[in-house]
Amino acid sequence: EAGVAQSPRYKIIEKRQSVAFWCNPISGHATLYWYQQILGQGPKLLIQFQNNGVVDDSQLPKDRFSAERLKGVDSTLKIQPAKLEDSAVYLCASSLDGEGATNEKLFFGSGTQLSVL
Amino acid sequence: GDSVTQMEGPVTLSEEAFLTINCTYTATGYPSLFWYVQYPGEGLQLLLKATKADDKGSNKGFEATYRKETTSFHLEKGSVQVSDSAVYFCALKYPAQKLVFGQGTRLTINP
Repeated sequence: EAGVAQSPRYKIIEKRQSVAFWCNPISGHATLYWYQQILGQGPKLLIQFQNNGVVDDSQLPKDRFSAERLKGVDSTLKIQPAKLEDSAVYLCASSLDGEGATNEKLFFGSGTQLSVL
Repeated sequence: GDSVTQMEGPVTLSEEAFLTINCTYTATGYPSLFWYVQYPGEGLQLLLKATKADDKGSNKGFEATYRKETTSFHLEKGSVQVSDSAVYFCALKYPAQKLVFGQGTRLTINP
């Protein structure tokens, strides 16, 4: 079974530039998550989609971050403009969770490591 | 809100030592509890989970018991190996909701 695919693996940009990350979840997984993992900290949820609707984006800095999940499958996360403090690993995860589902585990991609200079 | 607190790291042990990584949680309901592991250069992987009080999750020699009375989910292994060196994350989750992670504990095992 293919896992969660993310690209690019690494990205280096200067502050105030824009950047986009892509995620392809496991086939059939209804729920997709984007997490931000700052060095030395646990991952923090940025946004959660169920199919193509947003379930939780309470911790997404909406003045600079945006995300979409087209047709309930792939997703992109964008930062515009980037700040130094956005340097982190951006993790995408997916799970089977759907209406009436039991508490499913999350499958994580390898992440995109972003460095903002 | 719900939260998870792990013991401070890093933790350094010798091979074959006994391991405990403490995890406590604060929750308004009855979430499932998880341990995820992140090996160097790899993504997060589920290590074990428990879905209700007194459940014991186990995998690869690791164990953790869901203790509602002490709101804890401590990770244990009787004899660690060099290959267990990684960062370990305790987390909680409700159905169809996000994983809430602790801050992670870096474990290094020396031969």
